[in-house]
Amino acid sequence: GAGVSQTPSNKVTEKGKYVELRCDPISGHTALYWYRQSLGQGPEFLIYFQGTGAADDSGLPNDRFFAVRPEGSVSTLKIQRTERGDSAVYLCASSLNSGGTYEQYFGPGTRLTVT
Amino acid sequence: AQSVAQPEDQVNVAEGNPLTVKCTYSVSGNPYLFWYVQYPNRGLQFLLKYITGDNLVKGSYGFEAEFNKSQTSFHLKKPSALVSDSALYFCAVRDTPSNDYKLSFGAGTTVTVRA
Repeated sequence: GAGVSQTPSNKVTEKGKYVELRCDPISGHTALYWYRQSLGQGPEFLIYFQGTGAADDSGLPNDRFFAVRPEGSVSTLKIQRTERGDSAVYLCASSLNSGGTYEQYFGPGTRLTVT
Repeated sequence: AQSVAQPEDQVNVAEGNPLTVKCTYSVSGNPYLFWYVQYPNRGLQFLLKYITGDNLVKGSYGFEAEFNKSQTSFHLKKPSALVSDSALYFCAVRDTPSNDYKLSFGAGTTVTVRA
């Protein structure tokens, strides 16, 4: 079946601009996660949705970052006033539900470059 | 707080030889442990997980991992490595019981299998 998809695969933007990154989870998966992976590091948690609500947004670095999942499926990560330090690969993952026994399935990521 | 350490940045082995990628973890409760593999320009692919039960878990592509509670380790192993196993490997942990469903990842270990 179809896996997690993310668009765009690459995004280059200028410092100060606004960007949106989209994630389409595996059909039927109720839990959705966003992670950020910087070069040479493992993924770092940003935010987690169970259904439509953000159950844990403790990983968002500051208030320039925001994510939504209005219908409990597709999610959008929004970054305002981008900074060069925001450059990273943004990974989305989904799991069957929020129970910890279920593995998370990752999308290919969006590589964000802020110039 | 939960954390993972992968003490080796790189592991080099000859094809046909055993492969071991080390992982140690820290949690306050009981761990759920996962291994993922990342190929260049691809998302993370799930390999295997330990939730409970038998300490030796088997996963995809001939990989297995052994959970050792006394040593707080979860090393990934493959009896006979292939050149195609060359990739970046991540260990991840989730603490239980906890309402946090996020995974904490290690920094990754680059595996190179030479022909």
